[in-house]
Amino acid sequence: QQQVKQSPQSLIVQKGGISIINCAYENTAFDYFPWYQQFPGKGPALLIAIRPDVSEKKEGRFTISFNKSAKQFSLHIMDSQPGDSATYFCAASMVGSGAGSYQLTFGKGTKLSVIP
Amino acid sequence: DTGVSQNPRHKITKRGQNVTFRCDPISEHNRLYWYRQTLGQGPEFLTYFQNEAQLEKSRLLSDRFSAERPKGSFSTLEIQRTEQGDSAMYLCASSPWGREYFGPGTRLLVL
Repeated sequence: QQQVKQSPQSLIVQKGGISIINCAYENTAFDYFPWYQQFPGKGPALLIAIRPDVSEKKEGRFTISFNKSAKQFSLHIMDSQPGDSATYFCAASMVGSGAGSYQLTFGKGTKLSVIP
Repeated sequence: DTGVSQNPRHKITKRGQNVTFRCDPISEHNRLYWYRQTLGQGPEFLTYFQNEAQLEKSRLLSDRFSAERPKGSFSTLEIQRTEQGDSAMYLCASSPWGREYFGPGTRLLVL
């Protein structure tokens, strides 16, 4: 049972282009949606996160778009650079109650390659 | 370096052997997590500590796995009688709340 579905599995974008990665979730109790970036041999690092009370959040070149009714969210990387080449994971968690572990449920990842 | 550290970074063992990994979280983070990541997959939750108490365990954590966090500081994850299916990256994360900071992981290969 996969609670967070991520697509595409891999993505090739030219330098300066826009990279778009999509995720869909099933559990309506999720209320925290982060995106992580992982380079080979490293642990995941938080890029940007959103709560469901907003439809969009932007930090620099990274934007999350969130559609609560469709249970979908996406990551947009503007002006993609070769240094952005990495694996990106969407995730979801339940933090609203203030109790519990806040454990993350991850998608399967998208390998992004930005070519010069 | 004030990030999460994990040791060893790599471990090769033979099937049936026991292995132990260590995680040193960011100081004063009371929440500590262990995740397992296999090739081409996202990390999967294994277990969670709040201070020294182990409060949640995934069904992925078979009885061959045990984790401890004595005194609410560092944590260890032990795998007994390793199997080839245990080969994976074992990630530790710590958090004051919500946002999780991951370590570099320990890559385990069981021959």
